[in-house]
Amino acid sequence: DGGITQSPKYLFRKEGQNVTLSCEQNLNHDAMYWYRQDPGQGLRLIYYSQIVNDFQKGDIAEGYSVSREKKESFPLTVTSAQKNPTAFYLCASSILGNRGQDQPQHFGDGTRLSIL
Amino acid sequence: AQSVAQPEDQVNVAEGNPLTVKCTYSVSGNPYLFWYVQYPNRGLQFLLKYITGDNLVKGSYGFEAEFNKSQTSFHLKKPSALVSDSALYFCAVRVSVSGSARQLTFGSGTQLTVLP
Repeated sequence: DGGITQSPKYLFRKEGQNVTLSCEQNLNHDAMYWYRQDPGQGLRLIYYSQIVNDFQKGDIAEGYSVSREKKESFPLTVTSAQKNPTAFYLCASSILGNRGQDQPQHFGDGTRLSIL
Repeated sequence: AQSVAQPEDQVNVAEGNPLTVKCTYSVSGNPYLFWYVQYPNRGLQFLLKYITGDNLVKGSYGFEAEFNKSQTSFHLKKPSALVSDSALYFCAVRVSVSGSARQLTFGSGTQLTVLP
């Protein structure tokens, strides 16, 4: 079945450590997104990418980095500069172009990151 | 800038009774409106969308939503609630922009509890 796979489901970070969250999709979607979810705050956009080798900062990009070397993959690195990384991270994808204007984003099942 | 408000953090309803989860939005331009549902430790699942046309939109699992342009609202409704409807519900909005990545703005979420 087509979908979005996020791994790992749970991740722990030590002080000063960078960690990378994986996101893979087989929906052949052009655009991919990373969101951070905190209790009572909804989802906030970290980064998004419309095409391979290109990405843009969202509302809360500080302390995070991404890459888009392949259409199906959009990993997120939480760097040591992110002082409050404990959250639930969600990856999503969507169609682009006029055909995709009214299409919803599809979400993975998330990675929960905690501090050791 | 676009924004979404979900004025109720928590909604409780008895099984079999009608339910309403409220959403208001603010955009410059024509809105595309979405409702998503999230179960614990899972990603968001798409329920329904309003793009244009009929103000009453029907979606998955018996849910529907009414678009009201004058009140800038998009409330989610269901005639008869089920215990299994208990989950976190998010309203989201984006402005129609052809060809570009679809940046969604999410509300803070409403926890729906259906009591048996």
